[in-house]
Amino acid sequence: AQSVTQLDSQVPVFEEAPVELRCNYSSSVSVYLFWYVQYPNQGLQLLLKYLSGSTLVKGINGFEAEFNKSQTSFHLRKPSVHISDTAEYFCAVHRLTGNQFYFGTGTSLTVIP
Amino acid sequence: KAGVTQTPRYLIKTRGQQVTLSCSPISGHRSVSWYQQTPGQGLQFLFEYFSETQRNKGNFPGRFSGRQFSNSRSEMNVSTLELGDSALYLCASSLGISAGGINEQFFGPGTRLTVL
Repeated sequence: AQSVTQLDSQVPVFEEAPVELRCNYSSSVSVYLFWYVQYPNQGLQLLLKYLSGSTLVKGINGFEAEFNKSQTSFHLRKPSVHISDTAEYFCAVHRLTGNQFYFGTGTSLTVIP
Repeated sequence: KAGVTQTPRYLIKTRGQQVTLSCSPISGHRSVSWYQQTPGQGLQFLFEYFSETQRNKGNFPGRFSGRQFSNSRSEMNVSTLELGDSALYLCASSLGISAGGINEQFFGPGTRLTVL
């Protein structure tokens, strides 16, 4: 079975400060890993994904994430946040076969001016 | 290409009623997945339809059902509504091909259901 844990439900951070949103997963099989962002009153938008290869993945809007197999983590980072980054962020895993995603409970990022 | 559309965007119902939500996937996508999003629970997978057949199912009671039409449009139905069914219901479409590949899901804006 797969499960995804987002360790922080809310993260306040000042504008232009760095941020890290944590995600850990458990799975008995290899998985693909994703981060999605949800702005108010909108659906989810893909930020970045790890399928294979380099463990450091770069996404849109200056975000990046690092896959750590030994720690089963896929933390999301941004070196300098903007007000517009205020949103809900979801980590997700997808098995190599099948077509089902498993989502974490989300982290609400609030950027303070 | 037009994105995923969901109708209606907002819905208010009372306990005991039933409701039908609609999702039109991106053109060419054959898979539609439905999720329930509530505060604190995140996204809970309801079911996935591919080529008019339910292919995967989450852990929801039988009051939640769905179907998919030949044009890949999908509907989700909830019967005998309960207060706890109040949520944002998201649908996501993808190509649905699962042979060793990854199917990126594209999400619609959701339908906000309020049960009074």
